[in-house]
Amino acid sequence: GENVEQHPSTLSVQEGDSAVIKCTYSDSASNYFPWYKQELGKRPQLIIDIRSNVGEKKDQRIAVTLNKTAKHFSLHITETQPEDSAVYFCAPGGSNYKLTFGKGTLLTVNP
Amino acid sequence: EAQVTQNPRYLITVTGKKLTVTCSQNMNHEYMSWYRQDPGLGLRQIYYSMNVEVTDKGDVPEGYKVSRKEKRNFPLILESPSPNQTSLYFCASSLAVGLQPQHFGDGTRLSIL
Repeated sequence: GENVEQHPSTLSVQEGDSAVIKCTYSDSASNYFPWYKQELGKRPQLIIDIRSNVGEKKDQRIAVTLNKTAKHFSLHITETQPEDSAVYFCAPGGSNYKLTFGKGTLLTVNP
Repeated sequence: EAQVTQNPRYLITVTGKKLTVTCSQNMNHEYMSWYRQDPGLGLRQIYYSMNVEVTDKGDVPEGYKVSRKEKRNFPLILESPSPNQTSLYFCASSLAVGLQPQHFGDGTRLSIL
C-alpha cells in the first residue's frame, strides 16, 4: 500500500512567520494531493488540493507545491495567524480505492 | 445543507456489547469510508465502500464490520468491542475516490470499558 510520511510532526512559529509542511509518498500513480486542517475537537476539513497536472496552487495565504518526480508535496502558509493553529494532514490518492493519511503535523502559532 | 451525519457523537460501553455507529450523507456520494484517529497515529482507514454493496478493508479492519445497503448509509458495526477499540471515529464521503476531497462527519468518541 501507499506509504505516506509527513514532516515535521510538530511545528511552532511566531505569528506572521511562514510555515511549511512536507508530505512524501510512495505510489508513483498518485495524482491527487489534498491537505486537510483539523482544529481541536473538530473534524478534518479540506483546505487546499492539487492535481498532478499542476505544479503549484495558491489560495490567499496558503499554497501547495508538488514535485511528482521526487514524490512529495508541501503545504505553505504565509503570514501565519493564531487561528492557523491546528493539525494538518496530507492524503495523496487517486490510484486506488484505499486512502492513507499522513500522521499529521501539529502547527502552533504563537501570538 | 450538504453534510455527513454520525450518531452517536459519544458512547461509553462495555467489552463485548455489540454496537453500531451510523453514518449518513446527503450528497449522493459514491465513496464512503470509516477512520479511527488515535494520538500519534493520525487517521487510519478501517473500511471503505466504492458503491452500494461494494466494500473492502482499509488498513485496520480487524474487529469491525460494515455494510452498504443504500447509497447514503454506511454503518460501522463492532460485534464484540474491546478496550483497544477505544478511539475517535470519523465517517467520510466523497463524490468518487481519487480526485475528490473527503467530507468528514463530526466524529464519534467511543470508550470501551
